[in-house]
This record gives sequence, structure tokens and C-alpha cells, in this order.
Amino acid sequence: AAGVIQSPRHLIKEKRETATLKCYPIPRHDTVYWYQQGPGQDPQFLISFYEKMQSDKGSIPDRFSAQQFSDYHSELNMSSLELGDSALYFCASSADRGHEQYFGPGTRLTVT
Amino acid sequence: LAKTTQPISMDSYEGQEVNITCSHNNIATNDYITWYQQFPSQGPRFIIQGYKTKVTNEVASLFIPADRKSSTLSLPRVSLSDTAVYYCLVGDMYTGGFKTIFGAGTRLFVKA
Repeated sequence: AAGVIQSPRHLIKEKRETATLKCYPIPRHDTVYWYQQGPGQDPQFLISFYEKMQSDKGSIPDRFSAQQFSDYHSELNMSSLELGDSALYFCASSADRGHEQYFGPGTRLTVT
Repeated sequence: LAKTTQPISMDSYEGQEVNITCSHNNIATNDYITWYQQFPSQGPRFIIQGYKTKVTNEVASLFIPADRKSSTLSLPRVSLSDTAVYYCLVGDMYTGGFKTIFGAGTRLFVKA
């Protein structure tokens, strides 16, 4: 069965650079979620989209922005990167709001 | 959003039944209870979801008392591969989006 695809899987950036993470949800899933998980921490909800509209925001820094496109894929844009942004970033999709979420393999971002 | 409280960690042995209880005293009428499992460096994986009484699937059972102020995830006959972090989430499936909050999960260690 098709799963959530995230790219790239690994990304190394320097401080103050920008990064773009991509997420391709499971076909026919209309809801996308983004999470950040630092080392040894629990996943932190960043933002969600339902039918290409922003649904909810969590602890997403102002330096980050995201959108969901007409084909339902989503991108998380991160600017002015800081060392503290080093983390695993997960994308998840669901068939509808509140339904079980299917997580991608994550993008490991390292900021040096 | 209802706050959840789970034990920080639990130990078990292979073949035993493990019960992880989650407290959610201020759960709202429309809130559902969802459990996820997470292995290191992987995205969380949906285990089970329920609203009241008992739900069972091929991997776990979820017990929810009448007052719904707590829930218990039951893993029958655990194996070493069940060593993971287990998260209990509570959220409203119907109003607006679904702001998913992962609290501090329960780290389950299964020993041989």
C-alpha cells in the first residue's frame, strides 16, 4: 500500500540558511500534518492542512511557513535556520480530520 | 484540548500482557481517544482509536470506562519488538481541524 513520502530524508544546512521539506500524502488523503521531534523529545505539532486550507497551528516559529498544493502535497519552508531547528520532521496524512494519521519516514534536518 | 497523563515508563517481560493507562480528566463530549506507537527515529504508528466502552483490533484492545476520564491500552503477550514509546491522544474529530498534541508518552521496555 502507498505510504506517506517525505523528501529529502536527510538535510544538512548551515545557520541562517533556508530549507524546504516536502510531503506527499497517501492518495485520497485530504489532511496533512507537520511535526517536529527533537532528540529525546516527544513530537511537537507544527501545523495542519485540510483540503488545501490551513486548519490548525501549533508551536510553529514565525520563521517557518507551510502550504498544501492543489495535488495535496505539502511543503514546509524554514528560513533563518538556527541550531535548535535540528530535529526530525514528520509529515502525516489522514483521510479526514481526526481520523488515524499515517506518518512518513521523516526528514532529519541538521543545522551546523 | 484535553490534557493527558501517562506513566513515564513501564517494564515487562516477553509473553506478558501490558496495560498502559492514560488519564484525561477534562475530556470533552466530542473527543476521541487515540493511541500511537513510536520506535526510535520512526514516525508514530496508529494503534487503536475509541470513544467509549471497548475497542479491539488485531494488535491491541482499548478499554474506556463510562466516565471516559481515563483509558487503558492493553497489549496481549508482548514481545521484544513491542519495546517502544506509546502515546495517548485526546481530540475532537468534528470541530474545525484536529490539533494533535502528543504529550509525554510511556516508554515500554520488554525484557526477555
